[in-house]
Amino acid sequence: GAVVSQHPSRVICKSGTSVKIECRSLDFQATTMFWYRQFPKQSLMLMATSNEGSKATYEQGVEKDKFLINHASLTLSTLTVTSAHPEDSSFYICSANPGGERQYFGPGTRLTVT
Amino acid sequence: QQPVQSPQAVILREGEDAVINCSSSKALYSVHWYRQKHGEAPVFLMILLKGGEQKGHEKISASFNEKKQQSSLYLTASQLSYSGTYFCGTEGLGGTSYGKLTFGQGTILTVHP
Repeated sequence: GAVVSQHPSRVICKSGTSVKIECRSLDFQATTMFWYRQFPKQSLMLMATSNEGSKATYEQGVEKDKFLINHASLTLSTLTVTSAHPEDSSFYICSANPGGERQYFGPGTRLTVT
Repeated sequence: QQPVQSPQAVILREGEDAVINCSSSKALYSVHWYRQKHGEAPVFLMILLKGGEQKGHEKISASFNEKKQQSSLYLTASQLSYSGTYFCGTEGLGGTSYGKLTFGQGTILTVHP
């Protein structure tokens, strides 16, 4: 089956610093990947669509200058949380589709900003 | 718009059955069901596509009524391992919606011995 990985699985950073999260499709290529965010005891919310070779598209209310997305290759998308603050602490999950109907989710990255 | 799940929570004893509903206000292409345990990523259960269908996976099955834009997840003879939060994710019609999932608020299922 298709596998999506994320790195790191957990990260703790200080307020004001930037953090990069990687999402990789290990055994397939993906021109599109999706980034979700999940706050404690809440649902997953789509943040943005990452498009290989072009700009990401952001959902309403998501600051594109704060959450920088780069999809430089067909197997890698990165999400950089810039100038992170405690309210950015969350579970970040990416997904990708190798073809077909189903999305494959990564294992998630838990970000804690102190 | 976020689909609405019901109930918000359900408590079962092992062997009992449960139904979780997911209702959307927009036309749907597909409905995806996931189970998430605390601190982990959601685990895929099944997908139902436009055209109205019912699928089964061991003791877990689901139906999709596209006319009503509703889906139901059926858990029969529940096991302790079924405990977790269940989410439906809906995918709308149209090119810009492709692959984008809008998740319901979740249903917390607890199975006791």
